[in-house]
Amino acid sequence: GAVVSQHPSRVICKSGTSVKIECRSLDFQATTMFWYRQFPKQSLMLMATSNEGSKATYEQGVEKDKFLINHASLTLSTLTVTSAHPEDSSFYICSATGTNSNQPQHFGDGTRLSIL
Amino acid sequence: GQQLNQSPQSMFIQEGEDVSMNCTSSSIFNTWLWYKQEPGEGPVLLIALYKAGELTSNGRLTAQFGITRKDSFLNISASIPSDVGIYFCAGQGFGNEKLTFGTGTRLTIIP
Repeated sequence: GAVVSQHPSRVICKSGTSVKIECRSLDFQATTMFWYRQFPKQSLMLMATSNEGSKATYEQGVEKDKFLINHASLTLSTLTVTSAHPEDSSFYICSATGTNSNQPQHFGDGTRLSIL
Repeated sequence: GQQLNQSPQSMFIQEGEDVSMNCTSSSIFNTWLWYKQEPGEGPVLLIALYKAGELTSNGRLTAQFGITRKDSFLNISASIPSDVGIYFCAGQGFGNEKLTFGTGTRLTIIP
């Protein structure tokens, strides 16, 4: 089945640091990747939609200058949390879908980001 | 952002019992999906539903896409300890790949 790999699985860093999270599709070409954020005991909230080779589309209320998304290839998208602060601490999850628009999204295992 | 209404919020059951949870929406969806999430992991797809009225099974799991396109249910029969986790429904619009997630149902199995 479709496999999405996310790295790192956990990050602990100081306030003000920028953190990069990678999302890779291992066995299919991901034309679209999605980035979600999940706070404790809550559901997944979509942050942005990323199409290969074009600028990401951000959801309302998500700062595009703070959450930089790059989707330079059909197998890799990155999310960079710039100048992270404690309120950015969360579980960040990516998902990917292929060229078939009916293909369900497959999710990575998430990145636990903790900002001290 | 928008979320789907999912109920119940949590369930405490004994091993062997059947489980039923559902999602409702004020909007119609083209596709309904059911995911399971375990602590510290991403959601794993359980069942995908593409047609209104569709009833689909995956082992002990059965899900249906409501005829109005505004709701879906998931049943788990004869629960086992590894069923523990959080179950999310998700709706996908027409010509739109974005998913809207339900609020989740936390399933706990009492020994």
